[in-house]
Amino acid sequence: AQKITQTQPGMFVQEKEAVTLDCTYDTSDPSYGLFWYKQPSSGEMIFLIYQGSYDQQNATEGRYSLNFQKARKSANLVISASQLGDSAMYFCAMREGNQAGTALIFGKGTTLSVSS
Amino acid sequence: NAGVTQTPKFQVLKTGQSMTLQCAQDMNHEYMSWYRQDPGMGLRLIHYSVGAGITDQGEVPNGYNVSRSTTEDFPLRLLSAAPSQTSVYFCASSYSRTYSNQPQHFGDGTRLSIL
Repeated sequence: AQKITQTQPGMFVQEKEAVTLDCTYDTSDPSYGLFWYKQPSSGEMIFLIYQGSYDQQNATEGRYSLNFQKARKSANLVISASQLGDSAMYFCAMREGNQAGTALIFGKGTTLSVSS
Repeated sequence: NAGVTQTPKFQVLKTGQSMTLQCAQDMNHEYMSWYRQDPGMGLRLIHYSVGAGITDQGEVPNGYNVSRSTTEDFPLRLLSAAPSQTSVYFCASSYSRTYSNQPQHFGDGTRLSIL
């Protein structure tokens, strides 16, 4: 069974609109971390936002926020006021356990296209 | 501010050839890892290391070898290249035992084609 599931292969949004990228996860470890990375067409992996399993509040970083629903095991990325530069592949990833030096398990990614 | 540096950025090999992908980081990170990215598959872990002298296998280790003689360097060796190893390879690093909210930092990737 997949540990990280991203069900949207592609998403399309217009500039200035908000968009939600879905991510569900599966783990029996009570301690885990969830990450979102952005991969533009140039290929590098850019860290966007982190949510820990014990965090009481949803994480936010500028225009990025994470809609964390622990009981549903979902960690959706919300991008507010989309920009053309947001067009990229987005990956959800999970780290099981509470130590930073642990392997990330990635979803297959969602391609976001922002149009003017 | 180099971060994680991967060389080369591009490489074309013939089946059966061997080569080493280099990865170096200057952040004093204990944890380093190699992933491969294939279309529609996300990133999959090949090998990882939690410190100098310590390495272990990830999800897809066959055909690859690693060593970690220093904190800074974590090279990935392809022993006998096969077309199935055509992929984009990423090296990543992070602190190990502390700072659980710290992300892994990725290099820019090596695009490898095996003919």
